[in-house]
Amino acid sequence: GAVVSQHPSRVICKSGTSVKIECRSLDFQATTMFWYRQFPKQSLMLMATSNEGSKATYEQGVEKDKFLINHASLTLSTLTVTSAHPEDSSFYICSATPGRYLREQYFGPGTRLTVT
Amino acid sequence: QQQVKQSPQSLIVQKGGISIINCAYENTAFDYFPWYQQFPGKGPALLIAIRPDVSEKKEGRFTISFNKSAKQFSLHIMDSQPGDSATYFCAASSLMGSTLGRLYFGRGTQLTVWP
Repeated sequence: GAVVSQHPSRVICKSGTSVKIECRSLDFQATTMFWYRQFPKQSLMLMATSNEGSKATYEQGVEKDKFLINHASLTLSTLTVTSAHPEDSSFYICSATPGRYLREQYFGPGTRLTVT
Repeated sequence: QQQVKQSPQSLIVQKGGISIINCAYENTAFDYFPWYQQFPGKGPALLIAIRPDVSEKKEGRFTISFNKSAKQFSLHIMDSQPGDSATYFCAASSLMGSTLGRLYFGRGTQLTVWP
C-alpha cells in the first residue's frame, strides 16, 4: 500500500515552454501533498505544500507564479513549471500523506526535468 | 539554517559490517523522526521511523536509536549488504504551528558497502 506515482518520469523541454508534472496517490486519499526539488548529490528542498481544495503554501524563495500547484482532488496534485529555463532543470519529487495527523510521507519516483 | 544535522556525509563499510549514521536537531517541538533510503534516480523510500517516547526501534537489520536529552538519533544497519548502498536521509517533523507535518531533512549520507 501507500503508492505514489509521478508522470512523466523524464521530460525534456525547450526554454520558454511550460511543463506539467502529475503526482497521484494510487491507493489512498492524500489530504496533503508536498513538492520538492533535488539537485545532484543534495538533499530535498521543499518547494510547496498543497492541501486539497485550497491554495498551495510556498516556501520562501519559491516563485508561486513560476511553479503553479493545483491539488484538484484527494488523489491528484500537479506542478506546472511555467516559462522554463535551464536553471529549472532538476529532479522534482512529490510526496503525499494519508491524513492530517498521520505522519508518514510517501514519495513518488520523481521527474527528471531538463530544459534546453 | 539547517534544522537537522546529519553525519557523516559519506560512509564506506565492508559487507557484513555495521553502518551508523547520526543526526542531531535543535527544535524540541519535533516529535517524529523518519529515515529515508534513496537510490540514484528514484524517490526516497520510508525505511523506519521513531517517536520520542521510545529510545529504540528495530525493524529487521535497521535500528533507530533515539536520545531525547541529547536531541540526537541514529540509524544502525546491521550486517550491511551491497544492496544497501544508497543515500540515507534523516528527517524530523512536528505537528505544531504552521509547519504541520512538514519534514526537515538532513543533508544525506552516501553509503557504499563493499562486497
